[in-house]
Amino acid sequence: SQQGEEDPQALSIQEGENATMNCSYKTSINNLQWYRQNSGRGLVHLILIRSNEREKHSGRLRVTLDTSKKSSSLLITASRAADTASYFCATDGEDDYKLSFGAGTTVTVRA
Amino acid sequence: EAQVTQNPRYLITVTGKKLTVTCSQNMNHEYMSWYRQDPGLGLRQIYYSMNVEVTDKGDVPEGYKVSRKEKRNFPLILESPSPNQTSLYFCASRSSGGIYNEQFFGPGTRLTVL
Repeated sequence: SQQGEEDPQALSIQEGENATMNCSYKTSINNLQWYRQNSGRGLVHLILIRSNEREKHSGRLRVTLDTSKKSSSLLITASRAADTASYFCATDGEDDYKLSFGAGTTVTVRA
Repeated sequence: EAQVTQNPRYLITVTGKKLTVTCSQNMNHEYMSWYRQDPGLGLRQIYYSMNVEVTDKGDVPEGYKVSRKEKRNFPLILESPSPNQTSLYFCASRSSGGIYNEQFFGPGTRLTVL
């Protein structure tokens, strides 16, 4: 069953603006990961945040994790046309190696 | 280059004609998994394997079979495909040496069942 739910489902922004998307999940986790998918292609891992971390940065990406609220956010700063993609959060449960994915947020960056 | 490969990338078939989608990884990963992706539903796990000869059902296993005879290969078998199995399929692998690790995805197989 799906663990994570992303919000919003779709996001359209101007190039140079920041994009923020959120993920909520239901059960305790070991870590939370974000993936990007360009149209019809395989998913690419972006960033992983452990359950004992609150914030992590990677280039223009910033991820936060609030385990008390069971939520995470992904911020993409200074967006580019190449950031147009779908973004998925995935949670790693405490009891197994199964990654559970949400339905994703589709981001469109307008030139 | 570390990668997960899938074949074929595109397949159109007819109801009831058995097919196999191959998946191979060159990273010596223990854990492999199959997902299907449908609009609005995200990725749903079909089957997974923790290691050779160890497989288990995911969230949507009906109509699918898998096998794990070798560490690098994890084929997905549709014994009697039906139109509701038309979907985009992804194979993925990850190391199970630690709990903090990423999953690597194949490029996807777009299957149409007529």
